[in-house]
Amino acid sequence: GESVGLHLPTLSVQEGDNSIINCAYSNSASDYFIWYKQESGKGPQFIIDIRSNMDKRQGQRVTVLLNKTVKHLSLQIAATQPGDSAVYFCAENVDMRFGAGTRLTVKP
Amino acid sequence: SQTIHQWPATLVQPVGSPLSLECTVEGTSNPNLYWYRQAAGRGLQLLFYSVGIGQISSEVPQNLSASRPQDRQFILSSKKLLLSDSGFYLCAWSVGSYEQYFGPGTRLTVT
Repeated sequence: GESVGLHLPTLSVQEGDNSIINCAYSNSASDYFIWYKQESGKGPQFIIDIRSNMDKRQGQRVTVLLNKTVKHLSLQIAATQPGDSAVYFCAENVDMRFGAGTRLTVKP
Repeated sequence: SQTIHQWPATLVQPVGSPLSLECTVEGTSNPNLYWYRQAAGRGLQLLFYSVGIGQISSEVPQNLSASRPQDRQFILSSKKLLLSDSGFYLCAWSVGSYEQYFGPGTRLTVT
């Protein structure tokens, strides 16, 4: 899609603060969503997923929120650490598209 | 456990030369396989995906092609590389249309 040609949006946070990364999707038939983390020079890795019958799912320091009404999901990272610095992508299971990604930078 | 291999890790090729990148998956049967390209500082662009041997779907028109000669082998090829083919190429597999597992990637520089 068009988003792959755009420079990644960036988010800069202070170590210890909470981070919120947002993602919008377009296909109302999507019923499974995943957040991936991509560190520099590596392939993306799974962080957390959520099915459409849920609004919220929590993992270790991460929470995903799903708002099906506005086709929006977010990834919340609690007490952000320098090791969280990476690019974060959302993906859905119908069109198999990845969002444009957000580059998270954690300042010590 | 399942593993995914990609090679080579880095590649520098002149414009007009051919390309062959290979991806193999171990520990699973009949996976969905994907090829993505990622330009520096950009998002993931799905190039090809395959749901079975010999079944390839192309997402964008380009001078690249893909083949799946075996169940767990996915090959990305080009007859003549362009400068615009430079990027980070990622192979991934999944069971159905759920979580994808990515390989380590190949960084291709076309000079």
